Amino acid sequence: EAEVAQSPRYKITEKSQAVAFWCDPISGHATLYWYRQILGQGPELLVQFQDESVVDDSQLPKDRFSAERLKGVDSTLKIQPAELGDSAMYLCASSRRLAGGYDTQYFGPGTRLTVL
Amino acid sequence: AQRVTQPEKLLSVFKGAPVELKCNYSYSGSPELFWYVQYSRQRLQLLLRHISRESIKGFTADLNKGETSFHLKKPFAQEEDSAMYYCALNRGSTLGRLYFGRGTQLTVWP
Repeated sequence: EAEVAQSPRYKITEKSQAVAFWCDPISGHATLYWYRQILGQGPELLVQFQDESVVDDSQLPKDRFSAERLKGVDSTLKIQPAELGDSAMYLCASSRRLAGGYDTQYFGPGTRLTVL
Repeated sequence: AQRVTQPEKLLSVFKGAPVELKCNYSYSGSPELFWYVQYSRQRLQLLLRHISRESIKGFTADLNKGETSFHLKKPFAQEEDSAMYYCALNRGSTLGRLYFGRGTQLTVWP
């Protein structure tokens, strides 16, 4: 069964350093999401892609976060510089785009980021 | 604005007992509601969505628009139901983003 892949699974970095996370969605899924989940809370959307285009980045802290999906397949989320408050689980999800909306979102295992 | 509230952070029941995980939402439009589950050391996965009206693993959830609730129920809990459960809302618009509650950790004791 196809799954969403993410790497690395864990990342420890010092504040002010740059970090990058990678996501490979399920083949054929045109929609890709990056969520951030702070301990004790539910996931919150950072950015949504439709193919290679950003369709929602309203909650993305654009002064330090960037995301790209150049060929409309895999995606990279970058933080530069990292801050202590960025410590969280970063989840990637993908779904098919349907005529009337969106199909089920399938989640990856996540990347646990710790900023020291 | 939209908001999903799960009032119970922790919920414990004994095996065979009924269980109800509460979810309330606020949204002025016509939302789509979901329950996601995360078992220990596994990824987040869809349990059920209100439009499908299915029963998955014995769980059901009915959308009550009058009370703006989407509570998850199971008549006889099993130990393997122990997990973190998240209620989520989609605004039913052209964007697919989900708005999640903070989750309820369910523990089913033997």
